Amino acid sequence: GAGVSQTPSNKVTEKGKYVELRCDPISGHTALYWYRQSLGQGPEFLIYFQGTGAADDSGLPNDRFFAVRPEGSVSTLKIQRTERGDSAVYLCASSPLSGRANNEQFFGPGTRLTVL
Amino acid sequence: LAKTTQPISMDSYEGQEVNITCSHNNIATNDYITWYQQFPSQGPRFIIQGYKTKVTNEVASLFIPADRKSSTLSLPRVSLSDTAVYYCLVGDPRGGGFKTIFGAGTRLFVKA
Repeated sequence: GAGVSQTPSNKVTEKGKYVELRCDPISGHTALYWYRQSLGQGPEFLIYFQGTGAADDSGLPNDRFFAVRPEGSVSTLKIQRTERGDSAVYLCASSPLSGRANNEQFFGPGTRLTVL
Repeated sequence: LAKTTQPISMDSYEGQEVNITCSHNNIATNDYITWYQQFPSQGPRFIIQGYKTKVTNEVASLFIPADRKSSTLSLPRVSLSDTAVYYCLVGDPRGGGFKTIFGAGTRLFVKA
């Protein structure tokens, strides 16, 4: 079946602009995660959703970052007034809300954001 | 959240067994240990998860001592395609999700 998809695959924008990054999780997966990954580093947790609500948004670096998941499936990460330091690969992952221990996350290919 | 410590990099040769050890001294009672693999320009991929003793699947084995303060990912007979970054994570996944902390990972380079 289809995996996690993210659009766009690449986004180039100018400093100060607004961007939206989209994530389509695997159908039926209740948990959805956003990460940011800079070159040579591991993914940095930003936020995760259970259903429509953000269960933990403590990783969002500041109030320029916001994420929504209005219907409990597709999620959008929104970045206002982009800065050059926001340049990174933004990864999305989803997992089923099974209650079982083996709750692996399935990652998308990421969106490479470049802020000029 | 429990912090994990792994070697920054490891080298190996094709056909060898590779063991990557992760320290997690502050692991909580309900935490599980999970390993992910990441190739360049791709998202991480789940390899294996365990709570205690030994877990084995078609890809790897995970050894967890009784005190659970460390774990070892074992990759049997590695090939060039196993060159990747390997991440060790700890957390309680049973609630459907948890704040997932990836460290810098271990860069494994497999040589011919």
